[in-house]
Order: sequence, then structure tokens, then C-alpha cells
Amino acid sequence: DAGITQSPRHKVTETGTPVTLRCHQTENHRYMYWYRQDPGHGLRLIHYSYGVKDTDKGEVSDGYSVSRSKTEDFLLTLESATSSQTSVYFCAVKTTSTDTQYFGPGTRLTVL
Amino acid sequence: GENVEQHPSTLSVQEGDSAVIKCTYSDSASNYFPWYKQELGKRPQLIIDIRSNVGEKKDQRIAVTLNKTAKHFSLHITETQPEDSAVYFCAARGGFKTIFGAGTRLFVKA
Repeated sequence: DAGITQSPRHKVTETGTPVTLRCHQTENHRYMYWYRQDPGHGLRLIHYSYGVKDTDKGEVSDGYSVSRSKTEDFLLTLESATSSQTSVYFCAVKTTSTDTQYFGPGTRLTVL
Repeated sequence: GENVEQHPSTLSVQEGDSAVIKCTYSDSASNYFPWYKQELGKRPQLIIDIRSNVGEKKDQRIAVTLNKTAKHFSLHITETQPEDSAVYFCAARGGFKTIFGAGTRLFVKA
């Protein structure tokens, strides 16, 4: 599982509230990613990081922000959650030796 | 922007038959093409990958082919088994980003 954990694993929140999801890795990978998965859309990239304090936007970044103050942690924040952000969120890391991405267990977020 | 199209969206085969899933990509700079299998409620897991300098790669019952000129790549599963039932995703990577297809739900009927 490439030493990736996500917290929380499940969350139900209300529209307009802030939400932070955490991705933690133990293998010192430089590259980390946040995806959302919705039926019919596969995995869509929200934000990614290529080092501490180095982040960039993906294809569906509106309404999301990220931070990476330590190599091992990559945080995804929904500043004001909306119902359209109900989804399953996956964190991933990429190995530099093989380019392979490994995914965390996912967080199921429901915004009521 | 970059795009990966995947077909079919659903595929149903009889146990023992072969299954083929096809993808096309738009970014000619893509150089790495992984395939992931996702079982219900689980995380996507890498099953095979191919790089742009290789035309075909095989791992037991699974093979992937790549046609860079046409920007096509395909997953072939032979002698399908019920445990092959899952959602399969293709992806194409160029630079830092990996773009995923929408997925194919494979049903293998016993």
C-alpha cells in the first residue's frame, strides 16, 4: 500500500462548512496527488505537489486548496463545502524510480 | 487540454473468454501508460504499465499494447475468471500529471 493513509475515511458535513482531508505517507515520496472519483468520470486530478511547499492545480481545482508543509503530509481543504463536492477522494504518491502511482484507501465525503 | 478516452464503459464476457479495453490519448508528450484495477470499495491497484519506447508488454494473462502513432493503447485479458470482475482504468502520463480514462466495468460470468 506504499505506506499511505488517509483521514478521515468517512465524513458527512453540511454545505458551507470547511473540511480538511489529510494524506500521510511514510516512504518519503516527493510527488503527491489528490484525486476525486465520481461515477462516469474516473479519477480527476484536483491538485498535486512536487515537493514541500510546491503545489500546482489539476483539472478540477476550483473550490479546493492544498498545503504541504512536510514531505509526509498533503492536506486538501474545501473552504466552503458544496453538494457538488460529494465524492470519494483518493490521495496518491508517485515513485521517482518507476513513475508508478500508488493510491491511498480513499475518503468518502458527503456534503448535505 | 489533455484527454484520455476509454471504451467500452461496460463489458460482459463469459468465463474463459478474452476481454479487450481500448484507450486513446490526446497529449503526444505522454510517455507512460498504466492500467489500474479497482474492486468495489477498494483503491485502484496497478496491474500493468507500458512505456512509450515499448510496443507490447505481457504479464501472465494480461497484456498491453501501445500504438504511439495512432495514440492508442489497449488492455487484453485472456482466459478471464470471475475474480477479474472489477472496474479497469487506463491512464496516460506526461510531465507531472496523469490523466485517467473514465473506466470500464468488466463482468465475467461464470
